Amino acid sequence: GESVGLHLPTLSVQEGDNSIINCAYSNSASDYFIWYKQESGKGPQFIIDIRSNMDKRQGQRVTVLLNKTVKHLSLQIAATQPGDSAVYFCAENGQGAQKLVFGQGTRLTINP
Amino acid sequence: DAGITQSPRHKVTETGTPVTLRCHQTENHRYMYWYRQDPGHGLRLIHYSYGVKDTDKGEVSDGYSVSRSKTEDFLLTLESATSSQTSVYFCAISDWGGAGWEQYFGPGTRLTVT
Repeated sequence: GESVGLHLPTLSVQEGDNSIINCAYSNSASDYFIWYKQESGKGPQFIIDIRSNMDKRQGQRVTVLLNKTVKHLSLQIAATQPGDSAVYFCAENGQGAQKLVFGQGTRLTINP
Repeated sequence: DAGITQSPRHKVTETGTPVTLRCHQTENHRYMYWYRQDPGHGLRLIHYSYGVKDTDKGEVSDGYSVSRSKTEDFLLTLESATSSQTSVYFCAISDWGGAGWEQYFGPGTRLTVT
């Protein structure tokens, strides 16, 4: 079936460096993507979204890049801070506009 | 948590007992969802609602039922809880955000079935 996955299950970065979290999706019908952040014991938090008619979108310290040719999504976090430590999920709407399919998640660890 | 509350936040119950989890929103969003989150499986959709009294199944709906009698409340019921239903349950709400149907999550309910 269609799925959303991640290239790396864990990522460790130095505080202050930039982080890049990757996601591959397989459903070419997906036209909307969301990145979520989940801290321990909390619900997923909406970070940033992007529609398929865009290839880049920027937020506060975060940028999402979408490459539809290779079905690849990435989340870039600038100047990573200790508070960025969390699990990050990508999600896509390939099963219907109002339904999301989630990847397994990447755990981001910040080294001091 | 975008005006979403879940109750209870933690529950321990015995196999075979009925359990109801409640999701309440103050955002007046049309769509509401119930997910479960398990290690190795990520977030999986159980049921969702697209309006009062309008619900549909997700990918893991067996053993679960839902009801939505008011816009703000979405109930998830385990008619006879089993150990395989031990999980963290998240409610989400969705509305059009300009680029797509944005989903926002509640704080979760940790359910343990012994």
